[in-house]
Amino acid sequence: EAEVAQSPRYKITEKSQAVAFWCDPISGHATLYWYRQILGQGPELLVQFQDESVVDDSQLPKDRFSAERLKGVDSTLKIQPAELGDSAMYLCASSRSTGPAEAFFGQGTRLTVV
Amino acid sequence: TQLLEQSPQFLSIQEGENLTVYCNSSSVFSSLQWYRQEPGEGPVLLVTVVTGGEVKKLKRLTFQFGDARKDSSLHITAAQPGDTGLYLCAGEPPGSARQLTFGSGTQLTVLP
Repeated sequence: EAEVAQSPRYKITEKSQAVAFWCDPISGHATLYWYRQILGQGPELLVQFQDESVVDDSQLPKDRFSAERLKGVDSTLKIQPAELGDSAMYLCASSRSTGPAEAFFGQGTRLTVV
Repeated sequence: TQLLEQSPQFLSIQEGENLTVYCNSSSVFSSLQWYRQEPGEGPVLLVTVVTGGEVKKLKRLTFQFGDARKDSSLHITAAQPGDTGLYLCAGEPPGSARQLTFGSGTQLTVLP
C-alpha cells in the first residue's frame, strides 16, 4: 500500500539553529500539505501545494519558515532560526487531484527545540 | 476561515459503552472526513461523506453528515480499548482548491 514518507521521525535542535523536514507524497498525488500539530489539538495548515505551485501559505510564518516543491513531487519544509515555540509535530499529507480532498498523512516529524 | 468545532474535547468511557462525537460549523462543506490518530503517528482516514444526510457505517462506527452539510457526527457502538485515540473531523469548503480545515479533535479513552 502506498504511503507518504517523511523524515526524520524525530528532531531535537537548539533554538536559533536551522532545521529541515522532507516529505515524499504518494505517487501521482498532485496536492501536498504541510500541517503543524500541537499535542492533543487538530492540525493547522502551514502550506498547500498543487504540483509545484503554492495554493495557500497564508498561515506560514514567512520570516522563518520556507517550503518548496521544486519538481512537483517531494517537498522540503525549513525553519531558520528555530524558536522554542516551534516545538510540535510537523505532518505532511497528500491528496489526489480529483474527487473529495482526502488527505493521506505520513508519520510526521516530532520537533523539539531546546 | 471555516471553523470546525468538535465536542466533547475529552471523553473517557468503559469498554462496551456507546458514544457520540460531534463536529459542527456555521459553514457549508462539499465534503467532510473523519480521521483517527494514535500517539506519535499521523492521522488515518476513516471515512468521507459528501451528500447531505448521508450515513456511512464502518464496523461499529456510524458516521452521519448533516442535511445542510454543516455538521457531522460519529457514533461508536460497544467501544473497545482499541478505539482509543484522537478523533479529528476535517472539512473541504466549496471551491476551496482542495483545502482542508481540521477540527480541534476529541480525545477518546476506552478503559478495559
